[in-house]
Amino acid sequence: DARVTQTPRHKVTEMGQEVTMRCQPILGHNTVFWYRQTMMQGLELLAYFRNRAPLDDSGMPKDRFSAEMPDATLATLKIQPSEPRDSAVYFCASGLGHRGGGNTIYFGEGSWLTVV
Amino acid sequence: DQQVKQNSPSLSVQEGRISILNCDYTNSMFDYFLWYKKYPAEGPTFLISISSIKDKNEDGRFTVFLNKSAKHLSLHIVPSQPGDSAVYFCAAETDKLIFGTGTRLQVFP
Repeated sequence: DARVTQTPRHKVTEMGQEVTMRCQPILGHNTVFWYRQTMMQGLELLAYFRNRAPLDDSGMPKDRFSAEMPDATLATLKIQPSEPRDSAVYFCASGLGHRGGGNTIYFGEGSWLTVV
Repeated sequence: DQQVKQNSPSLSVQEGRISILNCDYTNSMFDYFLWYKKYPAEGPTFLISISSIKDKNEDGRFTVFLNKSAKHLSLHIVPSQPGDSAVYFCAAETDKLIFGTGTRLQVFP
């Protein structure tokens, strides 16, 4: 049963601390997305990769967020330093990226972050 | 700048009746449009899609309609069931998926 795996599922941290979220995409998928769910913005795209190369990270606050893919089986999203306004659910999703294909992507269960 | 908009944050429908969820977009370059469904504490799951060259796609109780001139799409669920209660996200594709803000559907008996 192929699925996207995210860790941690829940994280409570103090303001100013570093937070790292990890994602294992579905084997064989070449495109990985990071989304953040908030009440006001819905599912907000933070960054995405294709074949491990970053294609777009314009949705991320550059001064504190960073996203990487050290290898094809791991994507990371790091926040340093974290702030209370970063509290949200962070979703990783993966898919087979090709334009015009009805590019269905598959989501993990999310990482619930609370910054106090 | 919200390229994909779902203006109704919530919708309540009686079981057996039709649910209509709406979505508007601004970019005429989108290739595909998709609907995802999300239950609490789970990730969104794919529901149905439509190519920009079509105006209707049907899958069982779910039908998506696309009106390109109005830059509008809608999802019809007939008949609605209590298990359909969830948040529905509309998404539009170029080489990435851009999602709307979601509509919470509640189907009551």
